[in-house]
Amino acid sequence: SQQGEEDPQALSIQEGENATMNCSYKTSINNLQWYRQNSGRGLVHLILIRSNEREKHSGRLRVTLDTSKKSSSLLITASRAADTASYFCATAASNDYKLSFGAGTTVTVRA
Amino acid sequence: DAGVIQSPRHEVTEMGQEVTLRCKPISGHDYLFWYRQTMMRGLELLIYFNNNVPIDDSGMPEDRFSAKMPNASFSTLKIQPSEPRDSAVYFCASTPREGRQETQYFGPGTRLLVL
Repeated sequence: SQQGEEDPQALSIQEGENATMNCSYKTSINNLQWYRQNSGRGLVHLILIRSNEREKHSGRLRVTLDTSKKSSSLLITASRAADTASYFCATAASNDYKLSFGAGTTVTVRA
Repeated sequence: DAGVIQSPRHEVTEMGQEVTLRCKPISGHDYLFWYRQTMMRGLELLIYFNNNVPIDDSGMPEDRFSAKMPNASFSTLKIQPSEPRDSAVYFCASTPREGRQETQYFGPGTRLLVL
């Protein structure tokens, strides 16, 4: 079952613009992770944020976590064509050991 | 490191045939996960191992599915008999000690088509 739900399902932006996608989840979490999947490839881990953290940065990526709202956002700044991919949030529940993935947001960056 | 290795990359088979998917995790990783990805159901965890021992197979859809990990460097996912609804991309992922909730490293996947 999918605990995380991403929004929007799809996003199309111009190169250089920022892309923001959101993830909502239902139960308490230990951590939340974001992964990227290029077409026909496996998932690649981008960033992990723990339940006691509110914001984290990695290069052009910025992730926020609001445990009171059970939501997270991923911001990609100054997007590039190479950022075209599907982005998934994955949650690790506090009382569970499984990593549950959302349905993903498909991002298209137009040159 | 070569990363997680999966074989074959593509498999086309006929309904009723046995299918075996293979995975070699990253050396030193103690956890191994098998996932299935479809458009309808997204990415589903099928089973995972810790130190070669199956820990949770509640995601395995039916008895037709079985998974083994005979040693730390090799795992198989078998479907017998296969059915068209098993068509999907199957991913293997591994993660190091203390890492069942930490970063997972995915293989390239096996794209399975059952006719």
